[in-house]
Amino acid sequence: AAGVIQSPRHLIKEKRETATLKCYPIPRHDTVYWYQQGPGQDPQFLISFYEKMQSDKGSIPDRFSAQQFSDYHSELNMSSLELGDSALYFCASSSQGQGSRNEQFFGPGTRLTVL
Amino acid sequence: GEDVEQSLFLSVREGDSSVINCTYTDSSSTYLYWYKQEPGAGLQLLTYIFSNMDMKQDQRLTVLLNKKDKHLSLRIADTQTGDSAIYFCAETPNSSASKIIFGSGTRLSIRP
Repeated sequence: AAGVIQSPRHLIKEKRETATLKCYPIPRHDTVYWYQQGPGQDPQFLISFYEKMQSDKGSIPDRFSAQQFSDYHSELNMSSLELGDSALYFCASSSQGQGSRNEQFFGPGTRLTVL
Repeated sequence: GEDVEQSLFLSVREGDSSVINCTYTDSSSTYLYWYKQEPGAGLQLLTYIFSNMDMKQDQRLTVLLNKKDKHLSLRIADTQTGDSAIYFCAETPNSSASKIIFGSGTRLSIRP
């Protein structure tokens, strides 16, 4: 079965640079979520989109922005990168048609290292 | 408020049962989840339980929910070396498209 695809899997950037992370949800999933997991930390919710509209917002810095496109893939744009942005970034997808249990399927993550 | 707490470490002998505990504060949580994360890997949903259930069993996994005490546990029977991972307890505040709030994770290690 197809899973959530994230690219790139690894990314190395320098401070003050920008980064774009991509997420391709499971086919027919209409909702995408972004999470950030710092070293030794639990995943923290950043932002979510349902049918291309922002549906919820968490602890996402103003330097970050995200959107969901017409083909339901999503991109997380990160500008003015800081050392503290080094983390594993997960994308998850779900289908509201699956009912109310909000079963989110996670991608393998993008490991961002800021030097 | 939204807060999920777990103990950080658990060590069990291979073949024994593992019990990972979790407490949460949001009484409006409708679904509670257990996720498994192996080193360097993504998050794998192991099981979930609806808030009006007390127990759910799925092969070697048993989830117990005490809604009055806001306590959730995951029991892994006949623990194997492949069960070594970090286990995250998680909740979602309501049933619509919603963020998942994770606990700090419990690192399960298996002794031979």
